Amino acid sequence: EAQVTQNPRYLITVTGKKLTVTCSQNMNHEYMSWYRQDPGLGLRQIYYSMNVEVTDKGDVPEGYKVSRKEKRNFPLILESPSPNQTSLYFCASTTRRQGLAGGTDTQYFGPGTRLTVL
Amino acid sequence: AQSVAQPEDQVNVAEGNPLTVKCTYSVSGNPYLFWYVQYPNRGLQFLLKYITGDNLVKGSYGFEAEFNKSQTSFHLKKPSALVSDSALYFCAVRENNYGGSQGNLIFGKGTKLSVKP
Repeated sequence: EAQVTQNPRYLITVTGKKLTVTCSQNMNHEYMSWYRQDPGLGLRQIYYSMNVEVTDKGDVPEGYKVSRKEKRNFPLILESPSPNQTSLYFCASTTRRQGLAGGTDTQYFGPGTRLTVL
Repeated sequence: AQSVAQPEDQVNVAEGNPLTVKCTYSVSGNPYLFWYVQYPNRGLQFLLKYITGDNLVKGSYGFEAEFNKSQTSFHLKKPSALVSDSALYFCAVRENNYGGSQGNLIFGKGTKLSVKP
C-alpha cells in the first residue's frame, strides 16, 4: 500500500530536549515536505526537499532541521524544542516533474505527529 | 507571491442541502488548485485538483469544484451534504511555472464544515 508514515504519532517533551520525528514514504517520490498545522493558521511549510541531499527552507524554518540522505526518508529534527513548537506536524511527498507537468501531482500526507513541548 | 484565502472559518449546513466552501487565490501565473480534507485525528486526504481544461472538476466523495479565472476562485461544492462530510477542508495553490521546477504548495487556513442531521 502506497503511504507516508510518521513516527511518533504523539510526543510530549520538555524544552531543550532534542527530538526527531521520522517520515518515510514507499512511493519513490522525489519531493518531500514538512508542514505544521496550527489553529487559525492552516498548514505552513517548514522545510522541503526536491531530492536526496537537496533541501530548502519553507515559510517557517526557524528552530527546525531536516536531512535527506535517502530518497524514502525525511526526518524533522528539533535541536532545542520550545513551547511555541507545540503543534501538529505533517510530512508529505509527491513526484517531482519539470516543465508543463510540473506541479500537477497530488501530495500524499502522513497521519500527523502531535507534539507538545512543555 | 502566491496566496490562498478561505474567507469562512466555519460553514454549517443541514444534511441533504447543497454546500459550498469558498476559496480564492492569488498567483502571478496560471494556478494549479487543490482541495484537501482532514477528518478528525487524521491526515490530509486529496479530494480534487484543477490543472487545465474543463472548469468544473469532479473529485472524491461526490465533491466538485469550479475554477473561475476572472474571479480567481475555486469553490468546493456538493449537491447534497452528508453528516459524514463534517471535516476541515483546505484549499491549496501552486503556481504553474512553465519550464521550471515544481513550486511549493500554499494552503489556506482551512474551513470547518459542520453538517447537521
